[in-house]
Amino acid sequence: AQSVTQLDSQVPVFEEAPVELRCNYSSSVSVYLFWYVQYPNQGLQLLLKYLSGSTLVKGINGFEAEFNKSQTSFHLRKPSVHISDTAEYFCAVSQSYNTDKLIFGTGTRLQVFP
Amino acid sequence: DTEVTQTPKHLVMGMTNKKSLKCEQHMGHRAMYWYKQKAKKPPELMFVYSYEKLSINESVPSRFSPECPNSSLLNLHLHALQPEDSALYLCASSQKGGQGSVPSFFGQGTRLTVV
Repeated sequence: AQSVTQLDSQVPVFEEAPVELRCNYSSSVSVYLFWYVQYPNQGLQLLLKYLSGSTLVKGINGFEAEFNKSQTSFHLRKPSVHISDTAEYFCAVSQSYNTDKLIFGTGTRLQVFP
Repeated sequence: DTEVTQTPKHLVMGMTNKKSLKCEQHMGHRAMYWYKQKAKKPPELMFVYSYEKLSINESVPSRFSPECPNSSLLNLHLHALQPEDSALYLCASSQKGGQGSVPSFFGQGTRLTVV
C-alpha cells in the first residue's frame, strides 16, 4: 500500500519569498506523484505530475517539484510567491499501473502575507 | 469551460431520506470520480466511471449508489445514510479513463449533513 506524508500543515510566507512544501511517500511498487491546489471556496486542480523521465517537473503558476527516489520525496517549490498563491496544497501518489486510485496527503495550507 | 459543477452545495438529510448529488462537466472528459472528504482529512476515492462504465468501487456501502447517465453527468444517489456519512463529497473528472488518467479538475463539493 502507498501512503503520503505532508509534514507541514501550515506554511506562512511573505510575498515574493521562495517557498517549499514538503511531501514524502512510501510504497513498495513504482509510483506516480502529483500535486493538487485548492484555492479558497474552489475545487482541487491538478498542479503538476511526475510519471517518468526528468525528475524535475514544472507545473502551472510557476510551481515545480522534484522527484527524489532515494529520499522518497516530491517537494513542491516556487522561487517567488504571490498573494494569489494562498491555498491548500495536496500531495498525492498512485501506483504506476493504477492511476485512478489516488492516495492524498493531509494537505499544507500556504498563507502568503503582503 | 474548465469547471466541474456540483449541486447542491449544501444538503441536510434525515436518515430515512433519499437524495441525490449531481455533478456535471463539459470539458469532454471521459472519466469521472466521486471522493469523500471528512473534516481535516484528505479526499478518499469512492467510485470511478470510465467511458460511462463503473470501473472502480472502493467497497462503498450500498446506501451510496452512483450513476453515470452520459459522459457529462455523474450522480450519487443516497439512501438510508448514517450520521457518520456526513462529509464533503467531491466530484472530479479527467480527460480519459484507465492507465495514466488522474483527476484533473474537482468540483467545489457538496457539504452533506446527515441528521
